[in-house]
Amino acid sequence: ETGVTQSPTHLIKTRGQQVTLRCSSQSGHNTVSWYQQALGQGPQFIFQYYREEENGRGNFPPRFSGLQFPNYSSELNVNALELDDSALYLCASTFQGAYYYGYTFGSGTRLTVV
Amino acid sequence: DAKTTQPNSMESNEEEPVHLPCNHSTISGTDYIHWYRQLPSQGPEYVIHGLTSNVNNRMASLAIAEDRKSSTLILHRATLRDAAVYYCIPDNYGQNFVFGPGTRLSVLP
Repeated sequence: ETGVTQSPTHLIKTRGQQVTLRCSSQSGHNTVSWYQQALGQGPQFIFQYYREEENGRGNFPPRFSGLQFPNYSSELNVNALELDDSALYLCASTFQGAYYYGYTFGSGTRLTVV
Repeated sequence: DAKTTQPNSMESNEEEPVHLPCNHSTISGTDYIHWYRQLPSQGPEYVIHGLTSNVNNRMASLAIAEDRKSSTLILHRATLRDAAVYYCIPDNYGQNFVFGPGTRLSVLP
C-alpha cells in the first residue's frame, strides 16, 4: 500500500488566481473525498467522488470543483481565489463496498492566498 | 448531522490508559461512531468505528453506551506517539464527515 499522496505540499497564490491540487488515492480505493482545514479547526467536507461522479457536496461555492479519473486519482480546482481560501486541503480515499475500512488521508496541501 | 461534545483537551502519562469521551445524544439509529486522530502536521488517521457493540482493534477499543448517546475511545497504554487531536464523528457511511474541534491529547513522559 502506498497510501494517499497529495501534490504539491505547499503553494502560494495571489487573490483572484486559480489553483489545481492533486491527489493519488490509495491502491484499490474507488472513492475520494476532499476537505478544507483552516488553522486550529477540524476539517470541513468539500465534496466526494465515487467512480468519477460527484457523490456529495458540502457547503462550498461552485468555484470549488473537482474531478476523479479512471485510475481513481483526483483533482480539486479552486477559481477566483480569496484570502479565506488559505488552508490545508486534505484528500481522503476509501473503498466503497460491503465493508467499511475507514478513510486514508493524505498529509495535505498547504495553500496560502496573498 | 449529529452534534458531538468532546473535552477540549486531556492529559495522560505515558504507558497509562486513556479514556477519551464523546457525547453524541442526537445520533441517528443508522449512524456509526467513527474515531479519527490527527497527529501534528499530518492528515487525520482512522482509529476505529462501531455501531452498537464494543469494538477492539490493534490501535484502541471503543466502548459504546447502550443508548448510543455516548462513547469512549480507550487507548490501553498511551505512548508519546499518541499525542494528537482525537475526533469523534457519528456518520452513516462516512460520506460526509463533520469534524468538530476534537480533543487534544497530550502524553507526558
